[in-house]
Amino acid sequence: KNQVEQSPQSLIILEGKNCTLQCNYTVSPFSNLRWYKQDTGRGPVSLTIMTFSENTKSNGRYTATLDADTKQSSLHITASQLSDSASYICVVRGTDSWGKLQFGAGTQVVVTP
Amino acid sequence: EAGVAQSPRYKIIEKRQSVAFWCNPISGHATLYWYQQILGQGPKLLIQFQNNGVVDDSQLPKDRFSAERLKGVDSTLKIQPAKLEDSAVYLCASSQTGVNTEAFFGQGTRLTVV
Repeated sequence: KNQVEQSPQSLIILEGKNCTLQCNYTVSPFSNLRWYKQDTGRGPVSLTIMTFSENTKSNGRYTATLDADTKQSSLHITASQLSDSASYICVVRGTDSWGKLQFGAGTQVVVTP
Repeated sequence: EAGVAQSPRYKIIEKRQSVAFWCNPISGHATLYWYQQILGQGPKLLIQFQNNGVVDDSQLPKDRFSAERLKGVDSTLKIQPAKLEDSAVYLCASSQTGVNTEAFFGQGTRLTVV
């Protein structure tokens, strides 16, 4: 079973609207959680990183939250733009010796005019 | 700062043929990863190197896949012989040592096996 589950699998939103993506994980203990953005045909690019003690982190119109007690994270996109169309991947890093990365399957976001 | 370089960008081969992918990580990054990403899924780790040593290859199909990182810099991933289910994007990533360091990804090699 995947240790990182994301929802929804995909969503379509109108330009200018907000949306929230969810990530539930079972990796324990964990070192940090990152949200990556992956444009079509590109490698993933990190948006935010949060460690165990952090609750929220913003990067422009992207705001990530973390509840380490319930092992849940969310990524909120404000005032979406066409360039936000991409796959958003939640990645959790464990505390094993080499910090193995556990990837979610991603949420495919399509922003329409 | 130059990013992670991968080549080729695209490759089409027939099943049972062999193929090799090349990765040049960011200078100074001791950790190098190879991932397989099947369409619609998140990346799956194939192998992780720390310098020129393997620290995790538990999900590498060793009967057909091999990887090396001679001299602890560039790396190659080989598939021999390829199967239809190997069609995927192969991503290389690198990072500095440390649990809070960021993994930087290359653009990937899209492999189609026909």
